[in-house]
Amino acid sequence: QVQLQESGPRLVKPSETLSLTCTVSGASITSYYWSWVRQTPGKGLEWIGYIYYSGATNYSPSLKSRVTISLDTSKSQFSLRLNSVTAADTAVYYCAARIVGATSPFVYWGHGTLVTVSS
Amino acid sequence: DIRLTQSPSSLSASVGDRVTITCRASDNIGNFLNWYQQKPGKAPNLLISSASDLQSGVPSRFGGSGSGTEFTLTITSLQPEDFATYYCQQSYTTLTFGPGTKVDLK
Repeated sequence: QVQLQESGPRLVKPSETLSLTCTVSGASITSYYWSWVRQTPGKGLEWIGYIYYSGATNYSPSLKSRVTISLDTSKSQFSLRLNSVTAADTAVYYCAARIVGATSPFVYWGHGTLVTVSS
Repeated sequence: DIRLTQSPSSLSASVGDRVTITCRASDNIGNFLNWYQQKPGKAPNLLISSASDLQSGVPSRFGGSGSGTEFTLTITSLQPEDFATYYCQQSYTTLTFGPGTKVDLK
């Protein structure tokens, strides 16, 4: 079955860069939009962005200036970089797969990883 | 961005109750509306896509309806495993989620 697993540092200092990687198994890398979503108690679920196997990306306008999502098809991994972080970026970060086409729901999710921004 | 609101924000119900959750969009989104269930400490789980398409493996007591700006998630007979938080999500434009509706035990 399809599995997604987030990995990366759980603690990031303010002004530094948050980096996470999602490893995908059981799914074709060409069949989904590979996405990042975060969740905080205050703002709820927030879509960050996605990458398609072609390399095309789409980011949330509110985060676009600080976000980069990349894809390594040889490793079946995609990654998130969020720079200049503040405490407001403390959240549970999920990687997720959206179906290409139709209403593109998120059909597969990682377990999520809590990233804390603190000095 | 299209804003989604959900009502109620929380509700208390008993096993066997019929539960209805409403999601309203700030603009017409056609049927580009999906519903998720989330339990504490877990990732959201897709229940319904395209406003009314039940996902494989999701019990038939879950149903979705609506189009345009108003959508409904209905649980016809609440079961113990249904106590959770429910989110709507639109994919018509920049993806957004509703704030959630928490369903707990009365």
